[in-house]
Amino acid sequence: KNQVEQSPQSLIILEGKNCTLQCNYTVSPFSNLRWYKQDTGRGPVSLTIMTFSENTKSNGRYTATLDADTKQSSLHITASQLSDSASYICVVKPRNRDDKIIFGKGTRLHILP
Amino acid sequence: DARVTQTPRHKVTEMGQEVTMRCQPILGHNTVFWYRQTMMQGLELLAYFRNRAPLDDSGMPKDRFSAEMPDATLATLKIQPSEPRDSAVYFCASGLEQLHQPQHFGDGTRLSIL
Repeated sequence: KNQVEQSPQSLIILEGKNCTLQCNYTVSPFSNLRWYKQDTGRGPVSLTIMTFSENTKSNGRYTATLDADTKQSSLHITASQLSDSASYICVVKPRNRDDKIIFGKGTRLHILP
Repeated sequence: DARVTQTPRHKVTEMGQEVTMRCQPILGHNTVFWYRQTMMQGLELLAYFRNRAPLDDSGMPKDRFSAEMPDATLATLKIQPSEPRDSAVYFCASGLEQLHQPQHFGDGTRLSIL
C-alpha cells in the first residue's frame, strides 16, 4: 500500500536555528515528491518539487533532499524565522496515472522568538 | 498573483441541509482538485477534473457528495444531505496537466455540520 510518513509530528525551535523535517514513503515507482507549507487557516503552498532523478532542490532558506534508494526525503530550514511557523506536508505522486497522489499528515513547526 | 478563490470561507449548518462550496480556479489551469482536510486524516483527494471532465471521484461518498464543473471558471462541490462527520476544511486546487507542475490551493471552506 502506498504510504507517506512524516516525522516528527511537531517540532519547536528557537528563531534563527536550523531544523530538518523527515518524509519516508513507500510509493514506487513515483513521478515526483513535493513539499508544501501550510499556514494556519490557509491552503498549502508549494515549496519544492523533485523528480525521481533529482536529489536536491532549494527555494530560499528551504532545501529538500531525496534519496530514492532509501525512499526518504528531508526538508531543511536554515536560519528559521517566525514566519516559518506552519505545517509542512510531504506529497508523493505515483508514476502510474491511475494511482492517487499520497499526502503525509504533516509536521507542525513552531518557531519561538 | 493569480489565486484560486473559494466561497464561502466558513459555513455552519444543521445536519440534513444541502451544502454547496464553490471554487474559481486560476485562469488557464486545466486541472481542478477537491480535497478534504481533517486533523485525523490529513488531506484526502475527493475528486479530480481535467479539462472540466471528471476523471476520478472515487474519494467521495457517492450517495451524498457530487462535484461538477459547469464551466472553466467554476467548480462546485455539493453535499446533500450533510452529516456531522462531513465537518472539515474543503480545499480546491488547480494546476496544469504538465508533469511536475505544482497545484495551487485556495484557502478552503471550513464546514461545520451541527
